[in-house]
Amino acid sequence: QVQLVESGGGVVQPGRSLRLSCAASGFTFSNYGMHWVRQAPGKGLEWVAVIWYDGSNKYYADSVKGRFSISRDNSKNTVYLQMNSLRAEDTAVYFCARLGGGWCVDYWGQGTLLTVSS
Amino acid sequence: QTVVTQEPSFSVSPGGTVTLTCGLSSGSVSTSYYPSWYQQTPGQAPRTLIYNTNTRSSGVPDRFSGSILGNKAALTITGAQADDESDYYCVLYMGSGIWVFGGGTKLTVL
Repeated sequence: QVQLVESGGGVVQPGRSLRLSCAASGFTFSNYGMHWVRQAPGKGLEWVAVIWYDGSNKYYADSVKGRFSISRDNSKNTVYLQMNSLRAEDTAVYFCARLGGGWCVDYWGQGTLLTVSS
Repeated sequence: QTVVTQEPSFSVSPGGTVTLTCGLSSGSVSTSYYPSWYQQTPGQAPRTLIYNTNTRSSGVPDRFSGSILGNKAALTITGAQADDESDYYCVLYMGSGIWVFGGGTKLTVL
């Protein structure tokens, strides 16, 4: 079955960097685009970024553009989110998710919590 | 700045029918936005219910259905059950690799 397992969250100071990872299994990873979606404490879901199945295209929400970078390693079945210049408002649970048919998010990981605080 | 709108909260009686909507601050939602719907309970990852306007995800009961109603996407729950009490989110594909979530609807079943 499809499994997505995020890692790399934690507590980081404002202005610092962190990289999240998402290990995928149970499907042919190189055939699917992948998203990152986040949820601040007590708030709704916010789409963050997407990467095409082959890494050829990457798109970002305005709130993270220029600071975050999505990448993937199809040999390791892993997608990454490099986060630079972190701000308190980046504090959230970060979910990785698969880009499914019909331009949807079809499978979700359990999420990893990032806290940006001094 | 495109805003996707959802009712902040809704209430339904057990066994009743409720329709949640997903609109745009400017313009109409059509199938071209590939609306999809997600259910989330506190502390859990979202669960995909509906994608591509009206296609149920695997394992989703047929009492959940999606449609376009007027100028909005809609999620209808028929025969609401206690465990349908959750937050529901829609997301629209805006094209050019951009997705936007709605603010979510908190559904109470009582």
